[in-house]
Amino acid sequence: AQTVTQSQPEMSVQEAETVTLSCTYDTSENNYYLFWYKQPPSRQMILVIRQEAYKQQNATENRFSVNFQKAAKSFSLKISDSQLGDTAMYFCAFMNPYSMEYGNKLVFGAGTILRVKS
Amino acid sequence: DAGVTQSPTHLIKTRGQQVTLRCSPKSGHDTVSWYQQALGQGPQFIFQYYEEEERQRGNFPDRFSGHQFPNYSSELNVNALLLGDSALYLCASSLGRGVSGGARYNEQFFGPGTRLTVL
Repeated sequence: AQTVTQSQPEMSVQEAETVTLSCTYDTSENNYYLFWYKQPPSRQMILVIRQEAYKQQNATENRFSVNFQKAAKSFSLKISDSQLGDTAMYFCAFMNPYSMEYGNKLVFGAGTILRVKS
Repeated sequence: DAGVTQSPTHLIKTRGQQVTLRCSPKSGHDTVSWYQQALGQGPQFIFQYYEEEERQRGNFPDRFSGHQFPNYSSELNVNALLLGDSALYLCASSLGRGVSGGARYNEQFFGPGTRLTVL
């Protein structure tokens, strides 16, 4: 079974600084997708960034970037120049659309609460 | 372009009752997935509908059932409600292209959720 682990229940960062959220996963598959979602207090789950396992280049989206280490099964999220609006719960998620058993459902970690302080 | 919508926003029921939650997918999407998110936890996959059929199912009892309509909208039904069913229920839509799409075409767009409280 695929599992996703986020070992940091809570993190804090000062506005304008950089923070890294950790995520590890367990799978025996070679091809899959990884995602980071943000869920602010409004509850709306918003996609932050995506990564295909077959791509060696780390994905970036403006202030957000990932460090994808396939051999280590690690997928961390770096937020640069943190803003107050980044305060939210962040979820790491795994998808294996190549599997008949798992299809394209998302398997989520438990989440990390990020608080950006002014 | 409307995103994923869900109704109702909040719902309060008592144990043993039945509930129906509704979801309209993002324009152009044909696949709807449902997730249960308990307080302080990550979402758990309930099931996924494609072409009006349940394509995948998570580890949830038969009390949880669903339906997808020809316009791709979907319903989640929960019978014989238990206190433990209290949660945020999230609907997500996607293109459901599977391996041919890449991550961009498989990403799921979420609705705002329905908060269900069972007393």
